[in-house]
Amino acid sequence: QQQVKQSPQSLIVQKGGISIINCAYENTAFDYFPWYQQFPGKGPALLIAIRPDVSEKKEGRFTISFNKSAKQFSLHIMDSQPGDSATYFCAASRVNFGNEKLTFGTGTRLTIIP
Amino acid sequence: GAVVSQHPSRVICKSGTSVKIECRSLDFQATTMFWYRQFPKKSLMLMATSNEGSKATYEQGVEKDKFLINHASLTLSTLTVTSAHPEDSSFYICSARDTGGPSSYEQYFGPGTRLTVT
Repeated sequence: QQQVKQSPQSLIVQKGGISIINCAYENTAFDYFPWYQQFPGKGPALLIAIRPDVSEKKEGRFTISFNKSAKQFSLHIMDSQPGDSATYFCAASRVNFGNEKLTFGTGTRLTIIP
Repeated sequence: GAVVSQHPSRVICKSGTSVKIECRSLDFQATTMFWYRQFPKKSLMLMATSNEGSKATYEQGVEKDKFLINHASLTLSTLTVTSAHPEDSSFYICSARDTGGPSSYEQYFGPGTRLTVT
């Protein structure tokens, strides 16, 4: 029930295209859903996050779509650029005062080709 | 923005020795920090939750006597790998929650420490 399933494992998108990564969760207590971007040899960087009170959040070229009834959320990268080539992780947690842990997806390796 | 640093970024040690990794929140206070381990091309595996002024909470299967965690101040947590062996070679990453910020549940990650045990 703590798992977050992420797909696809790898993704190749042409420059200028839309990259879409999907995640699904089972624990209905989750109420915070961040996406992290990680480059090789670096720590993950918080990209964008959403709470379940909204169905979509957009920041620049990055958009999170959230479907509470389906327990799914996705990351859309518009106008994908070679610099977006990285590994992306979705995660989920319960917002709480305390030691709330993130449950990570398995990651998606995104490659943007010219 | 919230910045988390780690030191060292890379360390090579001999089997049987101990190695200390520092995690610092540079511009915010963090009562809670997390330590992760990441194998090549894999996801992050939470090892333990570090709480300022109290004992760390370890995840199932993580040896607390081998991975010693100390969170002595609101900006510093340390992970000591004791009696390191080659199988402990990995990428260790810490994160911190900005508990005083507008989004106190957001976690910010350090750049990671590459440990190689020979």
